[in-house]
Amino acid sequence: GQQVMQIPQYQHVQEGEDFTTYCNSSTTLSNIQWYKQRPGGHPVFLIQLVKSGEVKKQKRLTFQFGEAKKNSSLHITATQTTDVGTYFCAVGTNSGAGSYQLTFGKGTKLSVIP
Amino acid sequence: DGGITQSPKYLFRKEGQNVTLSCEQNLNHDAMYWYRQDPGQGLRLIYYSQIVNDFQKGDIAEGYSVSREKKESFPLTVTSAQKNPTAFYLCASSIGWTSGASQETQYFGPGTRLLVL
Repeated sequence: GQQVMQIPQYQHVQEGEDFTTYCNSSTTLSNIQWYKQRPGGHPVFLIQLVKSGEVKKQKRLTFQFGEAKKNSSLHITATQTTDVGTYFCAVGTNSGAGSYQLTFGKGTKLSVIP
Repeated sequence: DGGITQSPKYLFRKEGQNVTLSCEQNLNHDAMYWYRQDPGQGLRLIYYSQIVNDFQKGDIAEGYSVSREKKESFPLTVTSAQKNPTAFYLCASSIGWTSGASQETQYFGPGTRLLVL
C-alpha cells in the first residue's frame, strides 16, 4: 500500500491549547480519512477528504486536504480532556480487480493536561 | 443492534499453539479486514477480503491464516509460525467496492488482545 508519514508521534497539551497533527505523502492521494482511537478502544471514523484544498469542520475539529493532495492536517481548537486519544490518518489504495485497502499512518497520541 | 463483534476480548496462547480469533458483522458489508496493532506502530494490515470465498494477503500475512466462508464471518488464525503474536488485533468491515459504491469507511470491532504465555 501507499506510505504516509504522520507527525508528531506524541503531543502533550494543556487543556484549552490547540493541537494539530499532520499527514504527508510523497505521492498524490485519491482521498484521505481520519480516525480517532480512545485509550483501550478501537478506531472510529471521523471524516473523509476527497477534493483538492478541501476543508471540513466538526465542532472544534478542522480537517484540511492539501492543494496537491499530498498532505492533510487535523486541527483541534481549545482541547478538552475528551479529546485524549490517538488520531490516525489513512489513505486508500485501489489495487484493481475490486481490491481495495487502507494504509494507516502511525498515529499521533494526544495527551491533555487538565 | 448492528455492528462488529470480536471474541474473545483477551486470549492467551501457549508456545506452539494455534489460536483463532472470531470476527462477526451484521452490517451486510462485503469487505472485511484484519489489522494488528503494536504500541507506536499504528495499524498494520494482515489479511483482507472483498467478497465471500476470496481473500488477499496484507502487509504482514506471514504466520496468519483466514477464511471467508460466510459474508458475516472472517476468522483469523494465529499459527505457531507467528513468532511474536502478542498484540492487539482489530477486525474491520466496509461496504466494499463490489457493492458498486466507493464507500471505503471502515468500521472496527472492539478488538482482541492476544498474549503469549
